[in-house]
Parts: sequence; C-alpha cells; structure tokens
Amino acid sequence: DIQITQSPSSLSASVGDRVTITCRTSQSVSSYLIWYQQKPGKAPKLLIYGASTLHSGVPSRFSGSGSGTDFTLTISTLQPEDFATYYCQQTYSDFHNFGQGTKVEIK
Amino acid sequence: QMQLVQSGSEVKKPGSSVKVSCKASGGTFGSYAITWVRQAPGQGLEWMGRTIPVLGLANYAQKFQGRVTITADKSTSTAYMELSSLRSEDTALYFCAREESVYYYYLDVWGTGTMVTVSS
Repeated sequence: DIQITQSPSSLSASVGDRVTITCRTSQSVSSYLIWYQQKPGKAPKLLIYGASTLHSGVPSRFSGSGSGTDFTLTISTLQPEDFATYYCQQTYSDFHNFGQGTKVEIK
Repeated sequence: QMQLVQSGSEVKKPGSSVKVSCKASGGTFGSYAITWVRQAPGQGLEWMGRTIPVLGLANYAQKFQGRVTITADKSTSTAYMELSSLRSEDTALYFCAREESVYYYYLDVWGTGTMVTVSS
C-alpha cells in the first residue's frame, strides 16, 4: 500500500495569512493527488485534482503543486470561510487512501 | 446536477450487519464509480472501497476485505454498502461519493452521510 504523510496535523493562522499544507507519499503517485476541504459535520468538498487543477467554482486563492511523491496545497490569502480540515488523497493505486488531515484554526 | 441521497441513521448491536443505501437523484450512475468513505467521531477520512456499476466490479480496502460488500442497482441508480460483524470501532459517519474518472480519479459529488452507531 502507498502511505501518505500529511503535515502539519494542525496549524493556527490569521485571516490574510498564506498557508501551506504538504503531503508526501511513500512511492510515486504521478499527479494522482487530490485535495479536499471538510467542515464539521459536513461532507468533504473537492478543491483540487490532478495535483494542480482547480475544481470548478473553487476560489483561485487555492492552488496545488507537486508530482511524484511531494505535494503542496497553498491558500494564498486565508479567508474566514477557509477555517476547516484539509485532506489529501492518492488515487494512483487501487486503494485510494487519504492523508491524516490538517486542521486550520483561527489564531 | 446529480445529488446522492443516503439512507437514515442506524443503531446496531455488535456482531450484526448494516446496509446503507445511496441513491442518485437528478442523474444516473452512468459510467461513474461509487466510493464509500467513513469517518469515526473526531477522526479522519477512511476509504473503504468502490464499485463501478456499469462493469459490475468492486474493490475494497484490505482492512475491510471479507466484511464489506459494495453493490449497485443500475436500474434504480442506487448503491449499497453492507458491513458485517460490526464492532464498536465501526461507529462512524459513512459517506458515498461519485468518482469522476475522465483523466484523474476524484470524488466530486458526495452523499448526505449516514451515521452508524454500534452499541450493545
């Protein structure tokens, strides 16, 4: 199985900050890396697929980069509605596992 | 726009089974896969498995092999996830999701979620 290490597990930030979350996979997943946002009690929402393609309707302050084993989700200017938990997922292998999640909290 | 409507919450005894449904409204499964993901209270997302209804195929996370069965009825655009030999650790919110696979595989439409509580 492909292991995913997502970091940090949590972070505190202020509105307007630039936030970066990383995912590292134990072997190459090419660009089969997906990012989701989840708020408490709600289903996750798709943000980015193919490591860097913004899903329709997602604000441009979100961006993704990377390929192979190292990936980054960046929020350029944090907005109040961005406080949530973020997950990466690899869909390269038959087992589409998720990272452990990163909770973005208000400083 | 397709929506996925799941069945209501369940309370089950340890050792029993649960079957959760996921019905597509405003569209059909077409060639999409349907994936099941669960989330225990306060925990992260856990991928359980998926089915491709048009092909009648399914694959499962090794952790759930032998305990989970994911099926779909194309005629009613309804998918099902059945989990057997329930234990307290299976208490979780269970989601179905549509998997888009034009080029990359990703979950773009999610169900409403079904809470399953396992308690004696």
